[in-house]
Amino acid sequence: DTAVSQTPKYLVTQMGNDKSIKCEQNLGHDTMYWYKQDSKKFLKIMFSYNNKELIINETVPNRFSPKSPDKAHLNLHINSLELGDSAVYFCASSQDRQTEAFFGQGTRLTVV
Amino acid sequence: GQSLEQPSEVTAVEGAIVQINCTYQTSGFYGLSWYQQHDGGAPTFLSYNALDGLEETGRFSSFLSRSDSYGYLLLQELQMKDSASYFCAVRDQRDGQNFVFGPGTRLSVLP
Repeated sequence: DTAVSQTPKYLVTQMGNDKSIKCEQNLGHDTMYWYKQDSKKFLKIMFSYNNKELIINETVPNRFSPKSPDKAHLNLHINSLELGDSAVYFCASSQDRQTEAFFGQGTRLTVV
Repeated sequence: GQSLEQPSEVTAVEGAIVQINCTYQTSGFYGLSWYQQHDGGAPTFLSYNALDGLEETGRFSSFLSRSDSYGYLLLQELQMKDSASYFCAVRDQRDGQNFVFGPGTRLSVLP
């Protein structure tokens, strides 16, 4: 069973479109995250949720809106996609203050 | 704010030993972690140091010196499959929740 699964794995879309990425974890963790990895491989936190509550919202355009219907799911919706949004987006989860984060396989978003 | 520094690239040959260094600046420290990421893959956890000293896990070891704000990952008996990017990470000082990652070190293992 996959611990953290996100879909889709690849997403190619045109500028201006709206798209969603789904993430689910079956580890029973309380905390979930969205990270963005750019072409230089920098991994940057976007959002952090703990028990469905938003904990951290980095300086991310408000076109990005996370939604956590329950603590096992954290979806990411992106409005009005721009070329600069092209990146790999990783969902991750961890138990509170534990040492290890588990990452999903990543979603490679390409905006054309 | 928080910042971490790592060398951008390291190259070594199969069977060799390589050390990847990481220095960090953070006001709240919850330990130093290391992650491995193969091309096209997800970051996967390798090790964690909360206290000073060396932690060994098979061919990989990780070291921490809190007084120097410094740690390293030591990879022994290098294999081709160790070619990957390696990231050090600390917990976010604001709440100890999310992870702040270093810029990553690209390790290339040559035959």
